[in-house]
Amino acid sequence: DTGVSQDPRHKITKRGQNVTFRCDPISEHNRLYWYRQTLGQGPEFLTYFQNEAQLEKSRLLSDRFSAERPKGSFSTLEIQRTEQGDSAMYLCASSIPETGTQYFGPGTRLLVL
Amino acid sequence: AQSVTQLGSHVSVSEGALVLLRCNYSSSVPPYLFWYVQYPNQGLQLLLKYTSAATLVKGINGFEAEFKKSETSFHLTKPSAHMSDAAEYFCAVSERINFNKFYFGSGTKLNVKP
Repeated sequence: DTGVSQDPRHKITKRGQNVTFRCDPISEHNRLYWYRQTLGQGPEFLTYFQNEAQLEKSRLLSDRFSAERPKGSFSTLEIQRTEQGDSAMYLCASSIPETGTQYFGPGTRLLVL
Repeated sequence: AQSVTQLGSHVSVSEGALVLLRCNYSSSVPPYLFWYVQYPNQGLQLLLKYTSAATLVKGINGFEAEFKKSETSFHLTKPSAHMSDAAEYFCAVSERINFNKFYFGSGTKLNVKP
């Protein structure tokens, strides 16, 4: 068990550029979550997958955000036309639904200049 | 609808003193409750969880929490603080049925003074 990994750990981009983040969950976990965390706040739910199906999206997830989990394993989160307000830590977590326990990755810190 | 309120964004204790971090929740369905710890520039690590068994839950690193339905609370305690406990702590609630969404509080930063 290598834990949840995220790549990259840090990303600096200019406003208007597109960025993509990757999350590799724990291998036997069929549920995967994305969260956004801003300074001084707790994680805010963005979306989650059960295997390859995206089952719920938060209202926070504007049309510029898209997430995929094509084979039910790793997931990507893409932000198009980034804005300064997108600057945050993006956290991924995975779980086995029956236990309810989420295991978090180290996060990707995004800075939009 | 579910939500979590953590009273006190910063708590400071002396090493060896009691740690008490407060969490109150709101849930329209029976909740599952969690406490996570986050060290700087790291992801969240589960400390403990309440899943409708014993109301007093013991977790890692000597932490425990008690579920009090009448008070809608799930406060985190540790009898004796250690310097290594300095971190940010988050309380979270989820619906018991689906675990489809988790709602986190805004966190409490614990400072431990020597």
